[in-house]
Amino acid sequence: GAVVSQHPSRVICKSGTSVKIECRSLDFQATTMFWYRQFPKQSLMLMATSNEGSKATYEQGVEKDKFLINHASLTLSTLTVTSAHPEDSSFYICSANPRLAGVSYEQYFGPGTRLTVT
Amino acid sequence: ILNVEQSPQSLHVQEGDSTNFTCSFPSSNFYALHWYRWETAKSPEALFVMTLNGDEKKKGRISATLNTKEGYSYLYIKGSQPEDSATYLCAFSDRGSTLGRLYFGRGTQLTVWP
Repeated sequence: GAVVSQHPSRVICKSGTSVKIECRSLDFQATTMFWYRQFPKQSLMLMATSNEGSKATYEQGVEKDKFLINHASLTLSTLTVTSAHPEDSSFYICSANPRLAGVSYEQYFGPGTRLTVT
Repeated sequence: ILNVEQSPQSLHVQEGDSTNFTCSFPSSNFYALHWYRWETAKSPEALFVMTLNGDEKKKGRISATLNTKEGYSYLYIKGSQPEDSATYLCAFSDRGSTLGRLYFGRGTQLTVWP
């Protein structure tokens, strides 16, 4: 099956610093990638939709200047948490939809990144 | 935000027991219903994608049914094994959203004791 990698798997950073998380589709191309986050005991919630070659679309309540998304190629999307604060501590996970002719229902997920801001 | 509910939140069963979980979702504007199996430190693994009312899918000892008119899906595991221990996620997509955008339930955490 299709594989999505995510790096790093775990990161601890100090308040005020920035952290970059990479999401790669290893064996398929993805024009669209999605970034979710999950707080304890909550469901995965979509933060933004990352579109190759264009600006990301952010969900209501997600600060686009704080969570910078770059989808530089058909296999790579990055999420940068700028000026991180303890309340940004969460589990971040990406997904990608294979670029196929016609309709594709499959979504493939990375293993996620646990961010802890101290 | 579309609401997806899963029950129970957690389940502990003995090896060999059969079990089932429920996922409820909005019945309007339905596009697809996904079930994922998620083990700690791994990527969620797609089990099923169902799109048609009445769909039934099976993969080994795991099967799922779909009722889009009333907005629910069941996941069944027959003869649970310790390796089935994981969190099972249900996710819904609707016609009004970007293709691939999923709304998740909180998951059902299954523990199978040997």
